[in-house]
Amino acid sequence: AQSVSQHNHHVILSEAASLELGCNYSYGGTVNLFWYVQYPGQHLQLLLKYFSGDPLVKGIKGFEAEFIKSKFSFNLRKPSVQWSDTAEYFCAVRGYTGGFKTIFGAGTRLFVKA
Amino acid sequence: DAMVIQNPRYQVTQFGKPVTLSCSQTLNHNVMYWYQQKSSQAPKLLFHYYDKDFNNEADTPDNFQSRRPNTSFCFLDIRSPGLGDAAMYLCATSRGDGGGSYEQYFGPGTRLTVT
Repeated sequence: AQSVSQHNHHVILSEAASLELGCNYSYGGTVNLFWYVQYPGQHLQLLLKYFSGDPLVKGIKGFEAEFIKSKFSFNLRKPSVQWSDTAEYFCAVRGYTGGFKTIFGAGTRLFVKA
Repeated sequence: DAMVIQNPRYQVTQFGKPVTLSCSQTLNHNVMYWYQQKSSQAPKLLFHYYDKDFNNEADTPDNFQSRRPNTSFCFLDIRSPGLGDAAMYLCATSRGDGGGSYEQYFGPGTRLTVT
């Protein structure tokens, strides 16, 4: 069955530390990849997406993600986190399984200490 | 601002008492989704509408129904809520033609409590 795995459920970092959140998926075929973010008290919103082309995509607020097809991965990175990056991050993959469907990972809660 | 609106934000219902959650959108997107999200879990797709076409997920219980009377509105009906149905219910929309690369726009969610 298709699945999306986020290996880190909780991450605690100090400000200015570098961030990498892992995301692996098990779809075959062509996929669209997304990272969504949910700040405290707010709704889910798109952080960045990969549709085609350059596998290194840049999103808002200095985030980037790299699609590595051979590893079925789409890891999220930021070189220097800020306190305001405290949020929950969800990886999502859209692929074809008898119809197009987007599956979400379980999320990673990031807490950045000031 | 164009947005996805969910009402109410918090809903308390009794075991077995039917409840309806609503979602509206001003984005004019032709796809609308309902997700169930329990604590520390991934949002789980219940069903979606592509225009008027209803697409149910195979593992969505029959207890969950949906209506979409027009482009802007979509409702989630839980016919006989059980304690296990307590969750956050998320509504989302997207363009169905590939424009915007299928990203989804989410509402704030309705937190359902079943007593």
